[in-house]
Amino acid sequence: QQQVKQSPQSLIVQKGGISIINCAYENTAFDYFPWYQQFPGKGPALLIAIRPDVSEKKEGRFTISFNKSAKQFSLHIMDSQPGDSATYFCAASFNGGSQGNLIFGKGTKLSVKP
Amino acid sequence: DVKVTQSSRYLVKRTGEKVFLECVQDMDHENMFWYRQDPGLGLRLIYFSYDVKMKEKGDIPEGYSVSREKKERFSLILESASTNQTSMYLCASSETGPPSEQYFGPGTRLTVT
Repeated sequence: QQQVKQSPQSLIVQKGGISIINCAYENTAFDYFPWYQQFPGKGPALLIAIRPDVSEKKEGRFTISFNKSAKQFSLHIMDSQPGDSATYFCAASFNGGSQGNLIFGKGTKLSVKP
Repeated sequence: DVKVTQSSRYLVKRTGEKVFLECVQDMDHENMFWYRQDPGLGLRLIYFSYDVKMKEKGDIPEGYSVSREKKERFSLILESASTNQTSMYLCASSETGPPSEQYFGPGTRLTVT
């Protein structure tokens, strides 16, 4: 119940296309769902996050879609660019992430081809 | 600017050596974390700390210990390094209170031969 399952493990998208990464969870007590982005040689950094009281959150070309009943959430990257090539991690937490303890998915390596 | 620094980017140690990985944050954060990152396994939590001199086991604490004597510094210790501890080690910090963004250091790639 503590796991967050992420798919696919790797993804290749053409420039301008839509990248979609999916995550699923079991524990309904999770109430904070962030996505982290990691470039080679760098540590992960927060990209965008959502709480279960909304079904969608958009920041620029990045959108989180959240389906509470299905216990799934996904990251959509519109108009994907080569600069978006990175590893993406979904995560989940309890208590709004108040203690900062996150459960991470296994990551998706995204390559955007020019 | 928020900053988490790790003492080494690359480290090579021999089997059986005692290894210290240091992490320092300059944001006065209460929470600090140590993860290891392996291909296909994602980020796995080793230990975390909510306060000075306080520590909690994560998902994979075996073979590791930690020390937090000062708020800004969190050390990961491999008492007797083994080859299966070859990995990328990431330190992170966050403040308490929802939501809590974790800020990561650049990582230390440890090779145990």
